[in-house]
Amino acid sequence: DAGITQSPRYKITETGRQVTLMCHQTWSHSYMFWYRQDLGHGLRLIYYSAAADITDKGEVPDGYVVSRSKTENFPLTLESATRSQTSVYFCASSESVLANNEQFFGPGTRLTVL
Amino acid sequence: AQSVSQHNHHVILSEAASLELGCNYSYGGTVNLFWYVQYPGQHLQLLLKYFSGDPLVKGIKGFEAEFIKSKFSFNLRKPSVQWSDTAEYFCAVRPYGNNRLAFGKGNQVVVIP
Repeated sequence: DAGITQSPRYKITETGRQVTLMCHQTWSHSYMFWYRQDLGHGLRLIYYSAAADITDKGEVPDGYVVSRSKTENFPLTLESATRSQTSVYFCASSESVLANNEQFFGPGTRLTVL
Repeated sequence: AQSVSQHNHHVILSEAASLELGCNYSYGGTVNLFWYVQYPGQHLQLLLKYFSGDPLVKGIKGFEAEFIKSKFSFNLRKPSVQWSDTAEYFCAVRPYGNNRLAFGKGNQVVVIP
């Protein structure tokens, strides 16, 4: 049971480069989410998706792009990375928000932008 | 937008001591409430959740939380902590029917053997 996986787990890049973080879940959950975790801020929602081809902005979407062509995948792209995007990124999924369901989190990607 | 407040961001205590972490939220309607735990170097895991019914919720590893609607609170407790409880704890709130979780800033808990 793979659950929810993220790749890469660690990434170092340079300012201005494009970076894509991958998220894959095997549960066929409808909802998927991207968060960033920063010291003193907890987790903040970047983007989320209710289903394939349906995405919406969260609390801190600037500088990020998402797509969801397949239910199981939800990649997050930093089009031109900045140092302020150095963070730990977590992907999450849930079956439904109308039922009593929790969000399940992936292992995270630690991104450093030099 | 709803907000979630967690107090005492850094907590240091000895094994066998009792732990209580506060969580308050600002949303007037029906909410779903969660406590997540993040052990060092790991991803977030669900400790417990409240959707309805008994306001005293029991979770894994001896944790429990009490929902007090009148105080907009969902405090986490454990009567006797262990070294393995060293972790960061996050409270999260989701308005009923909404698809977005709002997280508090977390409590870093260190248990000294």
